[in-house]
Amino acid sequence: GENVEQHPSTLSVQEGDSAVIKCTYSDSASNYFPWYKQELGKRPQLIIDIRSNVGEKKDQRIAVTLNKTAKHFSLHITETQPEDSAVYFCAASIRNTDKLIFGTGTRLQVFP
Amino acid sequence: GAVVSQHPSRVICKSGTSVKIECRSLDFQATTMFWYRQFPKKSLMLMATSNEGSKATYEQGVEKDKFLINHASLTLSTLTVTSAHPEDSSFYICSAIAGTSYNEQFFGPGTRLTVL
Repeated sequence: GENVEQHPSTLSVQEGDSAVIKCTYSDSASNYFPWYKQELGKRPQLIIDIRSNVGEKKDQRIAVTLNKTAKHFSLHITETQPEDSAVYFCAASIRNTDKLIFGTGTRLQVFP
Repeated sequence: GAVVSQHPSRVICKSGTSVKIECRSLDFQATTMFWYRQFPKKSLMLMATSNEGSKATYEQGVEKDKFLINHASLTLSTLTVTSAHPEDSSFYICSAIAGTSYNEQFFGPGTRLTVL
């Protein structure tokens, strides 16, 4: 079945450094790739998304890249801040539906 | 805009009882709603897809007789956990898609269910 792998599972960086989280998906028909930030006990919050007709998208300190051929997409956070500390999930749409399959999550810790 | 609420936020119940969780889209009509379950330190697992006026579609391994879903209107979907057991204790999160926001899911705040 469809699968999304996410690495690393934990990531610790110093404030101001960059953080990169990578995901690989299996369904070549996936066309929507959102990234969510989730704080403990809270709802997932969409931080950026990308569609299959675009290779890169940026929003201030956050960027996402998509390589459809390799079925890879990555989240890049620059100039990290302690408030960026949370669990980040990637997701991919299932075939041409609105359903999402989530990655396993990355716990990001940004140390001041 | 695009606010989704859930009620209750927390519920504690005895084993064998049933629990109903409501998911509402407050400022938009949701053509589709999804129900997820999230165990501690784990990812979100899709349980079912709920469409207004039709039967819910359940993911493989999810018991439809145990997790009853009703999508009575374009703004309300309910999940009833029947005969709950301790292993059903989890964080249940709904999401909704607005007709005008292709693909983007708006998540509710979640319901923490604890079955004693």
